[in-house]
Amino acid sequence: LAKTTQPISMDSYEGQEVNITCSHNNIATNDYITWYQQFPSQGPRFIIQGYKTKVTNEVASLFIPADRKSSTLSLPRVSLSDTAVYYCLVGDMGSGNTGKLIFGQGTTLQVKP
Amino acid sequence: DAGVTQSPTHLIKTRGQQVTLRCSPISGHKSVSWYQQVLGQGPQFIFQYYEKEERGRGNFPDRFSARQFPNYSSELNVNALLLGDSALYLCASSLWRNNEKLFFGSGTQLSVL
Repeated sequence: LAKTTQPISMDSYEGQEVNITCSHNNIATNDYITWYQQFPSQGPRFIIQGYKTKVTNEVASLFIPADRKSSTLSLPRVSLSDTAVYYCLVGDMGSGNTGKLIFGQGTTLQVKP
Repeated sequence: DAGVTQSPTHLIKTRGQQVTLRCSPISGHKSVSWYQQVLGQGPQFIFQYYEKEERGRGNFPDRFSARQFPNYSSELNVNALLLGDSALYLCASSLWRNNEKLFFGSGTQLSVL
């Protein structure tokens, strides 16, 4: 499973767009990129997953360049409730995977009023 | 639909004691994984069970054990508790053995005194 590197913390203000970049230089061909969000005293919550180019859902966008050695989670118009820890994970989600996710330290996002 | 439920929510034990944590997956989910999260760090994989068989194990001592029942619920047992076992224990379920999208419970906060 590829190791990921992301900023320890970020600050933003309500209404701004927040971009969190994750580096994964050793990503393998079969690896997908997944982001989870975690609030204090709760389990992580799936946000978005992608393999290449751009993926968008109702809460976020995920941008992946052609070399796939990094990815950027984009949160549009953040609110105070988006204050949380965001984890970037890289791994093979295909058949035979043993369900093991490798979490790093994550990025603590603080949204200010 | 109910999410992943864990019990108890909080637990206080003393060193040397044994503890059993319980998890009920989302209805229809056959895979259950257990994670340990120490304060300030990301979750660390302990076990995955799929169809009542252990499918993956993280780097944890033999004091940690788990099992999955015919109804897909699961228990995590920790023997001979150490102070360092104090953590949030998270259970996650998914439809299949693959970990494309995990659904986490809110966890059991274990304090070892």
